[in-house]
Amino acid sequence: EVQLVQSGAEVKKSGESLEISCKASGYIFTNHWISWVRQRPGKGLEWMGIIYPGDSDTRYSPSFRGQVTISVDKSTTTAHLQWSSLKASDTATYYCPRHVGDDSHAPGEFWGQGTPVTVSS
Amino acid sequence: EIVLTQSPATLSVSPGERVTLSCRASQSVNRRLAWFQQKPGLPPRLLIYSASTRATGISARFSGTGSGTEFTLIISSLQSEDFAVYYCQQYDTWPPSFTFGQGTRLEIK
Repeated sequence: EVQLVQSGAEVKKSGESLEISCKASGYIFTNHWISWVRQRPGKGLEWMGIIYPGDSDTRYSPSFRGQVTISVDKSTTTAHLQWSSLKASDTATYYCPRHVGDDSHAPGEFWGQGTPVTVSS
Repeated sequence: EIVLTQSPATLSVSPGERVTLSCRASQSVNRRLAWFQQKPGLPPRLLIYSASTRATGISARFSGTGSGTEFTLIISSLQSEDFAVYYCQQYDTWPPSFTFGQGTRLEIK
């Protein structure tokens, strides 16, 4: 069974750093792209970027390039999303969906449960 | 960046009705268009990809049509569990910027 289990809720202050995680299981981790998606409270979905765990090929949405870092650890089959300096506007729930098949041009089929991040100013 | 515009923003319907949701792209995305359903407090669920392919385990009352810039999600005979927010997403661009539409909320009339 494919599962993506995300790390727990975070409460941070502006300017702090943060890394959240997405632990994958039930499939060959290196064969499928993983995206990150943001959803601010009461708002829609925003696509942030993707990574291919096989070779760590990473692409970012123009809106998020330079704002976050996406990475993977193949040894633990875990994807990570990192901020070096949080802003109040980063308050949101973050999801990590695994793509359909092995294509980068594909939507997320299996989704983590979401990690709520609250940033206070 | 490709902009996806969903209409209507909100739709009030009765159980048993047939529903048509629209998603329009600012430029062609070929057939690289997906539909998701999201209920409060839960992650999105993939319903349709490649414009018309049902994802695994999705009921046949969900169907998708379209190509290029005009896409439609059809829900035949609405069930109580179908009341949710629906999003479309394009995944055609490279370098990737796989944008979502703003969503359509289905409400019980």
